[in-house]
Amino acid sequence: AQKITQTQPGMFVQEKEAVTLDCTYDTSDQSYGLFWYKQPSSGEMIFLIYQGSYDEQNATEGRYSLNFQKARKSANLVISASQLGDSAMYFCAMREGRDYKLSFGAGTTVTVRA
Amino acid sequence: DAGVTQSPTHLIKTRGQQVTLRCSPISGHKSVSWYQQVLGQGPQFIFQYYEKEERGRGNFPDRFSARQFPNYSSELNVNALLLGDSALYLCASSSDRLYGYTFGSGTRLTVV
Repeated sequence: AQKITQTQPGMFVQEKEAVTLDCTYDTSDQSYGLFWYKQPSSGEMIFLIYQGSYDEQNATEGRYSLNFQKARKSANLVISASQLGDSAMYFCAMREGRDYKLSFGAGTTVTVRA
Repeated sequence: DAGVTQSPTHLIKTRGQQVTLRCSPISGHKSVSWYQQVLGQGPQFIFQYYEKEERGRGNFPDRFSARQFPNYSSELNVNALLLGDSALYLCASSSDRLYGYTFGSGTRLTVV
């Protein structure tokens, strides 16, 4: 079974608007971590934000925030005030228990329009 | 501070050949993981090494092997290359913390 599901293959957003990228996950572990990475066309994977399963507050990092709904097993990324440089592929990933392995979703391509 | 460095950045190999990819982790990071990213897909876990010992292995054939050296750098070897091995190979390093994976820029391998 897929551990991470990203159902939006591609999205367009107008500059300065907000965009929400969906991510649902599947795990039986009580302890897990959820990550969002940005991958520009250059290929490097840039860490954006992290949410631990026991964190009560939604994570925020600058223009990035994570809408964590534990009961629904969803961890959506919200990018506020989109910029042209935000155009990239975005991946949701999960680490389960003490395992260092990350399981990635298929990614969502975001294109920001001027 | 230097990030995760991978070499080479690009290479082209012929089917049946062998290839070695290299990764240097962030200073102080003792764990290195390797991922394969086929075009249009998310990265898939290949190996994880911690303190020179293999801690995890993904669903890859025995043609894939890796090792970690005393300075925590790592090599990924792929034997008997197939066209399907063409991908971006990413290396990630982490400390003992439960989060904080830093990826390198990857090695783009093309098998012809």
